[in-house]
Amino acid sequence: QSVLTQPPSVSAPPGQKVTISCSIRSSTFPNHYISWFQQLPGAAPKLLIYDNNKRPSGIPDRFSSSQSGTSATLDITGLEPGDEADYYCGAWDNRLAQVLFGGGTKVTVL
Amino acid sequence: EVHLVQSGGGLVKPGGSLRLSCAASGFTFSVFSMNWVRQSPGKGLEWVSSISASGDSIYYGDSLKGRVTIFRDNAENSVYLQINNLRVADTAVYYCVRNLSRFDYWGQGTLVTVSS
Repeated sequence: QSVLTQPPSVSAPPGQKVTISCSIRSSTFPNHYISWFQQLPGAAPKLLIYDNNKRPSGIPDRFSSSQSGTSATLDITGLEPGDEADYYCGAWDNRLAQVLFGGGTKVTVL
Repeated sequence: EVHLVQSGGGLVKPGGSLRLSCAASGFTFSVFSMNWVRQSPGKGLEWVSSISASGDSIYYGDSLKGRVTIFRDNAENSVYLQINNLRVADTAVYYCVRNLSRFDYWGQGTLVTVSS
């Protein structure tokens, strides 16, 4: 069974950088393409990153992602108060034919 | 502009049924897979189901499997989620989402409350 594991929370002052990890436990890791979502309080989630490291139109380059081994990371640089939100990683598991979501990480701007 | 407008949520008694609807506009609906994702109060995202563009391939998550049916009407640009034998634990905001490989556009969400 695949599991995506995220830290419950991260925080940093305005202007700084936070990194959110998404650890993938699966024997079929190469089949995962990671997406990242931002959910502002009271709002629907929004796509930030897809296919591991691509940004949809309109997403600032302060948001970036990378993957190394069995872990993906989302970096948010130049942290702004408006970045306070929950962030989720997600992936389609080809072998299990299931969509997986991480448990979510709350970003707090100090 | 892509729009996913959801309807059909509400208060249901345990054991009841509900059909959620999602009306799409602003894109060619018939070429995109569609998904349903739910979020229980104060909790994270949970995938419910996905359907291919043609409707030929359907996938279900474990939480609602056996009690849920996803279907679509490409002529009406709509996707639906039928949930039967609802349980208190099914109380959640249900989101309609475009594109299985990206989850790129999300509906506004519809609240389903299961309570006696």
